[in-house]
Amino acid sequence: DGGITQSPKYLFRKEGQNVTLSCEQNLNHDAMYWYRQDPGQGLRLIYYSQIVNDFQKGDIAEGYSVSREKKESFPLTVTSAQKNPTAFYLCASSMMGNNEQFFGPGTRLTVL
Amino acid sequence: SQQGEEDPQALSIQEGENATMNCSYKTSINNLQWYRQNSGRGLVHLILIRSNEREKHSGRLRVTLDTSKKSSSLLITASRAADTASYFCAPLPGNTGKLIFGQGTTLQVKP
Repeated sequence: DGGITQSPKYLFRKEGQNVTLSCEQNLNHDAMYWYRQDPGQGLRLIYYSQIVNDFQKGDIAEGYSVSREKKESFPLTVTSAQKNPTAFYLCASSMMGNNEQFFGPGTRLTVL
Repeated sequence: SQQGEEDPQALSIQEGENATMNCSYKTSINNLQWYRQNSGRGLVHLILIRSNEREKHSGRLRVTLDTSKKSSSLLITASRAADTASYFCAPLPGNTGKLIFGQGTTLQVKP
């Protein structure tokens, strides 16, 4: 089955700890994206990558970091510098930047 | 903000009725996409309309685009309870590859 997976589905962390969210796709897509969604809100872009070993900041990159060492993988680290990390995180991928995006099921992060 | 803005924010209809959602945006676009999100899930792509297209159909979905008014609409005909979800428009400015999501329209279809 082709698709995009995120793990874990739910994640709990103590304040001050870094945490890494996984995103993997086997769609052979070049571009990958990380979004944050707060209750009742739309999606805000955190980081995106259009090619391996390259990525760009989105609208709310502060307190987050990413890497793109492989085409299939785009992990997101939520660092202790992120002031309000509790949110629903969505990863997406697309063939090229202007095409439809395919979304993973999301990871709900709760910082206690 | 460049984001798409959906209207209304919430819509409640009876099964079988049509549902219309509107979207406005602020910049010139390459295309505009509509997505659906069921509660607590990822988004699912519904339809993409390019800036040189005025109308597009997909099953029970009809999307229009008016670039002069910087607006789009999504019509769902003969709605079903399974259509209950949040719907987002996402304009794509230029060739940035960065979709701009609005807050969405929450649609409830009552059986």
